[in-house]
Amino acid sequence: SYELTQPLSVSVALGQTARITCGGNNIGSKNVHWYQQKPGQAPVLVIYRDSNRPSGIPERFSGSNSGNTATLTISRAQAGDEADYYCQVWDSSHVVFGGGTKLTVL
Amino acid sequence: QVQLQESGPGLVKPSETLSLTCTVSGGSISSYYWSWIRQPAGKGLEWIGRIYTSGSTNYNPSLKSRVTMSVDTSKNQFSLKLSSVTAADTAVYYCARAGGSSATIFDYWGQGTLVTVSS
Repeated sequence: SYELTQPLSVSVALGQTARITCGGNNIGSKNVHWYQQKPGQAPVLVIYRDSNRPSGIPERFSGSNSGNTATLTISRAQAGDEADYYCQVWDSSHVVFGGGTKLTVL
Repeated sequence: QVQLQESGPGLVKPSETLSLTCTVSGGSISSYYWSWIRQPAGKGLEWIGRIYTSGSTNYNPSLKSRVTMSVDTSKNQFSLKLSSVTAADTAVYYCARAGGSSATIFDYWGQGTLVTVSS
């Protein structure tokens, strides 16, 4: 079955750029979606189809996908961006989530 | 604005069947895929499966033998049944809509409901 690999944690200084990776075999050929989840809340879609932002998501959030790695980039990180982030793809008629990355803003 | 609300027992005994319903408001349930996703405390998201309004389903292979999903378009609801539960099935259960042209983007989520499996 298809697997997505994310780092357990990423730290970023306030105002700097955070990059969260999602690794998978030839993931560049798939559509990758990203979700942000804050404690006690449901996940929220922040990037869909690799690099598209839903309405209401700040331009600071961007995404890319190529080869075996998809990346969620958060520019000018704010304290409010501290959360868990999950990547997700569709493979062989199933949804697959990455294990999640905890983003800490220092 | 589409809203989803999960409902069902918060406590289920081991070996019994977990049953949850998701009620959709603010929009029609028709012509979309609807999913169940769960999250054990302190762990990641696990997709359980999805159902289309025609009744067509896809299930997570690891849970397929125990999962049944159904949809009631007249009530704008869809449901999950998970049989033979154990403590490992204790989790927050979310319902979600899968939107987008490929119907794989979870654009609306319920708030989640905690289900504990314990005697």
